[in-house]
Amino acid sequence: EAGVTQFPSHSVIEKGQTVTLRCDPISGHDNLYWYRRVMGKEIKFLLHFVKESKQDESGMPNNRFLAERTGGTYSTLKVQPAELEDSGVYFCASSQLQGPHEQYFGPGTRLTVT
Amino acid sequence: LAKTTQPISMDSYEGQEVNITCSHNNIATNDYITWYQQFPSQGPRFIIQGYKTKVTNEVASLFIPADRKSSTLSLPRVSLSDTAVYYCLVGDNNDMRFGAGTRLTVKP
Repeated sequence: EAGVTQFPSHSVIEKGQTVTLRCDPISGHDNLYWYRRVMGKEIKFLLHFVKESKQDESGMPNNRFLAERTGGTYSTLKVQPAELEDSGVYFCASSQLQGPHEQYFGPGTRLTVT
Repeated sequence: LAKTTQPISMDSYEGQEVNITCSHNNIATNDYITWYQQFPSQGPRFIIQGYKTKVTNEVASLFIPADRKSSTLSLPRVSLSDTAVYYCLVGDNNDMRFGAGTRLTVKP
């Protein structure tokens, strides 16, 4: 069974540019989460989808971040325009809606804004 | 959401048992306790989850007292490859937040 995948693995962009991160959850997982880890700090929750609906987006830092999950499958996280403080590692995780409570994490996307 | 408190770092030696305790005084009735392990440049990996008493799997044990205000992750006979950050999370399936984690360093 394929795990959670994220694309790209690394992205280097200039301040003011736009970047879109993609997450493909495990097939059948209705829960999808985005987290990020800014250098030297703890992993922070960004938002949670249940299928295509945003269940909780309280962790989104500001309106430069837009997450979508059209069709309830893969999700994208767009940062527009990117700022220096957006640099970090963005993780995606998925889990089943019922049953085991384990979140499966992807390898992360390392974003560097210069 | 219940806040978790765990030691920032711990050192151990190969072959020893390591116990990492997490405090979660405000745990709610519906909350589970979950531990994740994270290696550098990788996403967190699930280790174990429990609600009360003791849970054991092939890699760890989780001890939860009756009041559930704390929990202890026990790693038997650690090896160098167990060097990682260990996170204690408290919440239900749909809402878990990471704390700062405990950086475990296993020395030869």
